[in-house]
Amino acid sequence: DQQVKQNSPSLSVQEGRISILNCDYTNSMFDYFLWYKKYPAEGPTFLISISSIKDKNEDGRFTVFLNKSAKHLSLHIVPSQPGDSAVYFCAASASNAGKSTFGDGTTLTVKP
Amino acid sequence: NAGVTQTPKFRVLKTGQSMTLLCAQDMNHEYMYWYRQDPGMGLRLIHYSVGEGTTAKGEVPDGYNVSRLKKQNFLLGLESAAPSQTSVYFCASSFPRTAYGYTFGSGTRLTVV
Repeated sequence: DQQVKQNSPSLSVQEGRISILNCDYTNSMFDYFLWYKKYPAEGPTFLISISSIKDKNEDGRFTVFLNKSAKHLSLHIVPSQPGDSAVYFCAASASNAGKSTFGDGTTLTVKP
Repeated sequence: NAGVTQTPKFRVLKTGQSMTLLCAQDMNHEYMYWYRQDPGMGLRLIHYSVGEGTTAKGEVPDGYNVSRLKKQNFLLGLESAAPSQTSVYFCASSFPRTAYGYTFGSGTRLTVV
């Protein structure tokens, strides 16, 4: 039973356009959600997080939206750049102190 | 800043052999984790530690043991390697606040033949 799901294995967008990566979760106990970015042969890098008391969090070109009723979150990247091409992992945690459950990742390709 | 350092980066083992993966962090993080990533899949938690001298099981702990004798080090052991343990292993560390995220090492690619 996968508790964090990223249903799109891949996404391709044009440079300068918006990239929208989606994530669904099933565990109602999750109250923190995070996004990580991973380049080949490197470890994941933390991008942005959001707590369940918020519905939006922004950091530069990256915005995460949370819809608790739908158990859905999304990461928006605006504008997309070729350097954003990577695998993006969604993760969720059931408390503000500890282990996270990861989705399978979405490979984003930004075309020049 | 080194961050999180994993050694070795690559290793090939024969079935039944044992080995230890070392993770070291220099950020004074309380929490440390071991995840594995298989092709096309996300990261699955093997074991984790919330402080020196503590360890706990994650989602896929069978076949692995861990130790956290020093705050900065987290060791992952395979007592008798099996081909199903062929994977990329990532160590991570964090402060006790989920919102800040993890800092990951660059991974250890392990092949068991």
